[in-house]
Amino acid sequence: QITLKESGPSLVKPTQTLTLTCTFSGFSLSSTGVGVGWFRQSPGKALEWLALIYWDDRKRYSPSLKSRLTITKDTSKKQAVLTMTNMDPVDTATYYCAHRPGDGGYSYGSYDCWGQGTLVTVSS
Amino acid sequence: QSALTQPASVSGSPGQSITISCTGTASDFGTYNYVSWYQQYPGKAPKLMIYDVNKRPSGVSNRFSGSKSGNTASLTISGLQAEDEADYYCSSCTTSITWVFGGGTKLTVL
Repeated sequence: QITLKESGPSLVKPTQTLTLTCTFSGFSLSSTGVGVGWFRQSPGKALEWLALIYWDDRKRYSPSLKSRLTITKDTSKKQAVLTMTNMDPVDTATYYCAHRPGDGGYSYGSYDCWGQGTLVTVSS
Repeated sequence: QSALTQPASVSGSPGQSITISCTGTASDFGTYNYVSWYQQYPGKAPKLMIYDVNKRPSGVSNRFSGSKSGNTASLTISGLQAEDEADYYCSSCTTSITWVFGGGTKLTVL
């Protein structure tokens, strides 16, 4: 059974850097094709994709946020970490991580298991 | 503004069928037809309902189906049930290997 859980600060100040950790179980981030993606959802708004890290350490970023995002992984700790610099109140959102299937999974184009999300508020 | 365009709301009575459209550009939908649909209840995480345009993950009711024609994907829910009342999001992997979402559609079961 695949599970993911996001952790990090619930409150950050403007201009600070946000670091979120996704701790997962039930899969390995070293298995071919597997990835972990990050998403966010501002209150009352749509989902937004932020970044993806692949099993082979390749990374993809949202073009609109690329300059502010860094995604990394620690395979042995079963974690994926997202950092976002220069936080602003508009970045207030629930942040989710999700599993991207690898070889033999549903699809390379979807995210089949999601964490419960963590609300991050940006305020001074 | 979301990359993919969905109606803000749709509604239907129990037992009826509804269709939610999702319109984008050719680059939004990429080369591989990696269109997905997610169901989200208030305060909950999204759940994958359809992947690769028209495939259902294990455990998802066959009342949910997907299709795509040109640059418009669609989600159809047949035999509407009260439990289907939720927000639905389409998503696609683009030609740039990034992911985009629609603005979401609120489904109301009358």
